[in-house]
Amino acid sequence: AQSVAQPEDQVNVAEGNPLTVKCTYSVSGNPYLFWYVQYPNRGLQFLLKYITGDNLVKGSYGFEAEFNKSQTSFHLKKPSALVSDSALYFCAVRESNNQGGKLIFGQGTELSVKP
Amino acid sequence: GAVVSQHPSRVICKSGTSVKIECRSLDFQATTMFWYRQFPKQSLMLMATSNEGSKATYEQGVEKDKFLINHASLTLSTLTVTSAHPEDSSFYICSARDYRGPYEQYFGPGTRLTVT
Repeated sequence: AQSVAQPEDQVNVAEGNPLTVKCTYSVSGNPYLFWYVQYPNRGLQFLLKYITGDNLVKGSYGFEAEFNKSQTSFHLKKPSALVSDSALYFCAVRESNNQGGKLIFGQGTELSVKP
Repeated sequence: GAVVSQHPSRVICKSGTSVKIECRSLDFQATTMFWYRQFPKQSLMLMATSNEGSKATYEQGVEKDKFLINHASLTLSTLTVTSAHPEDSSFYICSARDYRGPYEQYFGPGTRLTVT
């Protein structure tokens, strides 16, 4: 069965510092991996995805994520955090060989960036 | 980019009444749409998957007679909460998958339902 774990409920970072939001996954086949961001009372906005190819994926708003197959991880990173990055972040996975398959979401990590 | 809209964004209804939420893909055709429920500061819980022209597939524990889903066209899916109760109050989010690609899933802005 597919699963996603985001081990940190909350991450606190000072503005200008690098940030990392952790995600590990479990699938039986090859994974499709996604990061989404949610602002209060809003839907999810797509940040980036890993399908195949280069393990370092660059996405929206300066975010990037690194796919690590041996550690089954897909951590989200940004070199310099902004206060406006404060939001709820979700990692999600789907098995690549299941075209109709559903996304499985992690429990979310609340990122707080202080000035 | 692909846009998914939801209507209404907020609704307050009385206990026992029914509420319909619409989800539209505005600039693409969606063979598959998903309905999620989200409690405050929690993850998204998938309620059901709907494919255009066929019956929705409900997740375990979701009452299909209470949460009626219709996906009558490639751009519209509706969720009707029947005989709503206060415990149905939640944030409902839909998403749509573009038929041209198996990867992307686009999310609507959500509907805040409050049942009094």
